[in-house]
Amino acid sequence: SAVISQKPSRDICQRGTSLTIQCQVDSQVTMMFWYRQQPGQSLTLIATANQGSEATYESGFVIDKFPISRPNLTFSTLTVSNMSPEDSSIYLCSVVPLAAPTDTQYFGPGTRLTVL
Amino acid sequence: DQQVKQNSPSLSVQEGRISILNCDYTNSMFDYFLWYKKYPAEGPTFLISISSIKDKNEDGRFTVFLNKSAKHLSLHIVPSQPGDSAVYFCAASETSGSRLTFGEGTQLTVNP
Repeated sequence: SAVISQKPSRDICQRGTSLTIQCQVDSQVTMMFWYRQQPGQSLTLIATANQGSEATYESGFVIDKFPISRPNLTFSTLTVSNMSPEDSSIYLCSVVPLAAPTDTQYFGPGTRLTVL
Repeated sequence: DQQVKQNSPSLSVQEGRISILNCDYTNSMFDYFLWYKKYPAEGPTFLISISSIKDKNEDGRFTVFLNKSAKHLSLHIVPSQPGDSAVYFCAASETSGSRLTFGEGTQLTVNP
């Protein structure tokens, strides 16, 4: 597997502001994904972070609201823009390590976001 | 449209006994299935996976069974331990390493 860190681990934000979440991996990965887990619900994929090109968004998620960057094989950011209380969730990045024997996704510890 | 379903929101088992967690799916394109365990305030931890060419995969106390014709899979934990108490998520993808679709999760409680 890979060691995945996310910053910040948690934050409390005001409505209308933006927050950028970082995901850093200790080894090169092929795929990076961003998921959301709203309170009491399952994990939902937001987008696939593509290195050097625009992210691929799932239905219901748009680039203006969730801009994503992936400048290299070990780092990605997700921004939650113009936040509202409905954006209060745990945001998780996941990766598929380049050297892994199987293409299993491993998850970071998550960023717990509360929007007031 | 919930493509991956875990119909039991909770399961309580005695320590040492078998825990059986179930998962059903509707998308016939799913080819790769995984189980994750999640503790509060942590990210999901990968447990075990199975591809559609197999019907069983075993790793220590954990065994996953896949019935492709019934679109059903299950996770068996034997023997169950109190440290296994967590939320278990079933997930599926059309190819390994691609986007995952998750079930709603099952809260497992193993009583000492």
